[in-house]
This record gives sequence, C-alpha cells and structure tokens, in this order.
Amino acid sequence: EDQVTQSPEALRLQEGESSSLNCSYTVSGLRGLFWYRQDPGKGPEFLFTLYSAGEEKEKERLKATLTKKESFLHITAPKPEDSATYLCALNTGNQFYFGTGTSLTVIP
Amino acid sequence: DAGITQSPRHKVTETGTPVTLRCHQTENHRYMYWYRQDPGHGLRLIHYSYGVKDTDKGEVSDGYSVSRSKTEDFLLTLESATSSQTSVYFCAISESGGNYGYTFGSGTRLTVV
Repeated sequence: EDQVTQSPEALRLQEGESSSLNCSYTVSGLRGLFWYRQDPGKGPEFLFTLYSAGEEKEKERLKATLTKKESFLHITAPKPEDSATYLCALNTGNQFYFGTGTSLTVIP
Repeated sequence: DAGITQSPRHKVTETGTPVTLRCHQTENHRYMYWYRQDPGHGLRLIHYSYGVKDTDKGEVSDGYSVSRSKTEDFLLTLESATSSQTSVYFCAISESGGNYGYTFGSGTRLTVV
C-alpha cells in the first residue's frame, strides 16, 4: 500500500538552531516528491520538486534531499518567519499522496 | 495565489442544506482539483477535472459532486451537508496533471451545524 509519513509532527526550534524534517514513503513508481509550506489560514505554497534519488534543491535557508525511501527538508539557522507547517506530497503518476505535515515553530 | 481564487472564504450552513463552493482560475490550466484538509489527515482528493465537462472521483467523493462548464471555473457541491463535511476545502490547479506540482487556492472553511 502506498504511504507517506512525516516526522516529527511538531518541532520547536530556537532561532538559529538548524534541524531536519523527514518524509518517508513507500510507493510504487515515484514520479516526483514535492515540498510545500502552509501558513495558518492559507493554502499550501510550493517549495521544491525532487524527481530522483540523490537530487537536492535549495532555497534560502531550506534544502531538500531525496533518497529511495525518504526525503529530508533541512532548515539552516531558521528565523521566526520560517514558522509554518511543511507538507510533503508524492506523485505516483496515478495519484498524489500528501503527508500530514510537520508544524515548525521557531522561537526568537 | 497565482490566479486562483476560492469563494466563499468562510461558510456556516445547517445539516441537510445544499452548499456550493467555487474555484476560479485565470491561468488557463487544464487540471483542477478539490481537496479537503482535516486534522490528522493529509490533504485528501475529493474530485478532479481534466478538462471542460471531464471530471472524475477522488478517494473521498461520497456526498460531493462537481461541475466544470468553463475552463476557469470548478464548482464543488455538497448535495445535503452533514457534520462530517465540516472541513477546510482547497482548490488546486495544474498544467500537467501534477507532474510539476499544484498551485493551491486560499481555502474555504466550511462548518456544518
């Protein structure tokens, strides 16, 4: 059965304290893994797409990586404005699967 | 939100009444989707459209219907609202069926009392 699991559910960091969010998956035929950011009361906002194991993408303090079984979203020296829920999603070609998200709080 | 708007943003309705949510896009994307988001669940697909008058069911389609008479508009109807349909509903659009991801609207918060 195709599944996507995100961990941890919630994460509190001090400003400047780097960490990683995890998205692990079991799907047949991955056509793309997506990371989104969602702020309260808003729709998910696209961050990255990764298509193959070993691929990496970066944007400001965020870096996404992909292996055959999981993806990591690394946050370097986070700031309070990075506080949000981060969602991962997988495209198998037939369907999109969304994780339940990691709620990140960055404390000044 | 990249040319995608949802209306209304908030709605409270009574059990048993019909409700229609609207999604409007100005991107001329072929694919449009309706998702619901609930605590403890990832976004779940209700229905999607791959062209005018071409629609199909998602994983949680029971109790919902959709229509797409124009490229830019995708309507979601709850024929007879139930409390289990209290949720936040998101519309999304895509050029290529999801190969490059989706663009989401800001959502409609629906409460069924």
